[in-house]
Amino acid sequence: DQQVKQNSPSLSVQEGRISILNCDYTNSMFDYFLWYKKYPAEGPTFLISISSIKDKNEDGRFTVFLNKSAKHLSLHIVPSQPGDSAVYFCAASFNDMRFGAGTRLTVKP
Amino acid sequence: NAGVTQTPKFRVLKTGQSMTLLCAQDMNHEYMYWYRQDPGMGLRLIHYSVGEGTTAKGEVPDGYNVSRLKKQNFLLGLESAAPSQTSVYFCASSYPGFAVNTEAFFGQGTRLTVV
Repeated sequence: DQQVKQNSPSLSVQEGRISILNCDYTNSMFDYFLWYKKYPAEGPTFLISISSIKDKNEDGRFTVFLNKSAKHLSLHIVPSQPGDSAVYFCAASFNDMRFGAGTRLTVKP
Repeated sequence: NAGVTQTPKFRVLKTGQSMTLLCAQDMNHEYMYWYRQDPGMGLRLIHYSVGEGTTAKGEVPDGYNVSRLKKQNFLLGLESAAPSQTSVYFCASSYPGFAVNTEAFFGQGTRLTVV
């Protein structure tokens, strides 16, 4: 069963605009959420995370929002840059860590 | 600083053959994990270890075995490879574990094809 879902396989935005990537989860036991970025032929790299006791965490151009009642989190990238083009994975953890299927972000110059 | 290193990077196996994937980390991390990545499925947890000498099953453990004899190494074995095991395999490590404010560091991946 897919406990972490990213329903948008791809997203395309213009450079300088906002990118919003979404993620839904089903297991209410998850207490820590992360976003990873992945380039081709490389392993995923950690981007930003949020604890379940918070609803927002910001790091530079990246902000993660958590809505526990809706079991939904999102990653905002402002402003988007061409170098942000990659696959983004949402992950959620409790006893183990589950990943979504990923969203391919393309930022056009 | 090597981080997490996976060996080999590529491999082609025939159905029924066996092989072992090696993961080594030099960060003194307690937790280590094996994932597989398939198109449209994201990263799925195969097995993980919370310390030397321990292993536990993840989401998709069937057809795989693991061992953690040394803290820095986590081995993933395929006893009788099947075409359904064609995938990209990622190893990761973290300290102290999943449910604490920590991130997992990933290796570069092993692309395995079973024909």
